[in-house]
Amino acid sequence: SQQGEEDPQALSIQEGENATMNCSYKTSINNLQWYRQNSGRGLVHLILIRSNEREKHSGRLRVTLDTSKKSSSLLITASRAADTASYFCAITTNAGGTSYGKLTFGQGTILTVHP
Amino acid sequence: KAGVTQTPRYLIKTRGQQVTLSCSPISGHRSVSWYQQTPGQGLQFLFEYFSETQRNKGNFPGRFSGRQFSNSRSEMNVSTLELGDSALYLCASSSQGGNGELFFGEGSRLTVL
Repeated sequence: SQQGEEDPQALSIQEGENATMNCSYKTSINNLQWYRQNSGRGLVHLILIRSNEREKHSGRLRVTLDTSKKSSSLLITASRAADTASYFCAITTNAGGTSYGKLTFGQGTILTVHP
Repeated sequence: KAGVTQTPRYLIKTRGQQVTLSCSPISGHRSVSWYQQTPGQGLQFLFEYFSETQRNKGNFPGRFSGRQFSNSRSEMNVSTLELGDSALYLCASSSQGGNGELFFGEGSRLTVL
């Protein structure tokens, strides 16, 4: 089963509003990453937060990590129509050895931003 | 710097056939990972190669295999195709292949009829 679970599954907002997506996982992690995917295309890395970090910012993105609750959230401020995409959290762990190149993805949140 | 290039972008095969997908990583990246994306199972890790060696493998049957060449280019092969193999196959590269950021290609969309 997927280690990363996201909610909501779909989110529809108006341009200018903030969008918040949540991710929960079940095991200890090395880091947690967020990726974006436009329909049927490749994934684009947004931000990485390490297990010893609690918050990270990148432009209009803010990511928080709570390892005690095994959860993370991605906040996109002042959303634009161009932010319409699927957003995935992904974890890396050392379970069973170094997780070379292995990300475990959540099912994703489909974000629709209406102009 | 050119991104990760995957070929072919689209292909259609019939059950029982085999398919080979190719991935050229970003120049200087020695780690290549492969993922399968389907509506039902989401994104699942297939395997990872570094310097021509498979270092990590996901939970897929032996019909799924891969290799990496000395120039870091990678191929994956699926033999005896099944309908359930229809998916978007994504390749990703990274400089170290540990726990860092992955750079993904646009994917190869395989349809099995």
